[in-house]
Amino acid sequence: DSGVTQTPKHLITATGQRVTLRCSPRSGDLSVYWYQQSLDQGLQFLIQYYNGEERAKGNILERFSAQQFPDLHSELNLSSLELGDSALYFCASSVGDRGNEQFFGPGTRLTVL
Amino acid sequence: AQSVTQLDSHVSVSEGTPVLLRCNYSSSYSPSLFWYVQHPNKGLQLLLKYTSAATLVKGINGFEAEFKKSETSFHLTKPSAHMSDAAEYFCVVSDRPGNTPLVFGKGTRLSVIA
Repeated sequence: DSGVTQTPKHLITATGQRVTLRCSPRSGDLSVYWYQQSLDQGLQFLIQYYNGEERAKGNILERFSAQQFPDLHSELNLSSLELGDSALYFCASSVGDRGNEQFFGPGTRLTVL
Repeated sequence: AQSVTQLDSHVSVSEGTPVLLRCNYSSSYSPSLFWYVQHPNKGLQLLLKYTSAATLVKGINGFEAEFKKSETSFHLTKPSAHMSDAAEYFCVVSDRPGNTPLVFGKGTRLSVIA
């Protein structure tokens, strides 16, 4: 158990809908990272927050957004969902903001029908 | 720009034989390198990391990796495979010492045959 929690574990929704994925980092970690894992694209970095501020951006679509709250939990919002958004979404956390050792949550499996 | 190439998408070994998972990296700076493992329907777990200390890095579950700057390689090895080692393995690079996210290889699926 990494200490990173993600909810929900599974999410099934329809095209065009909007969903919110939630992540709680390990106690004491200030950075939260979001990744998307799909069969065709592999594991891709989406976005990083450090102590409430956006720190780095990867291959995140404009339909996707994220935020980190004062209690350091983070939410990833996915809107206008498409079939291709079906994937496993991981959250990770680290103490610092410098690509340190990251601890991964169990993931949320999103299925868009 | 940093990148990582895992040379084999799938490796199959017999239980009790050595494991070698190959990884080459590209980095403009002195990189940090990691190996993560993902068991089916699980999150990723850190196996080991290299951060410019000893070039031979020992990790969990008997795995180790050697950083070879001249070959830009960071291959993962284990002397004797166990059935529980069957999983997906990711080689990962972090480039600059600043706020650079991790860059993942495409993964190598390790199968262990009884």
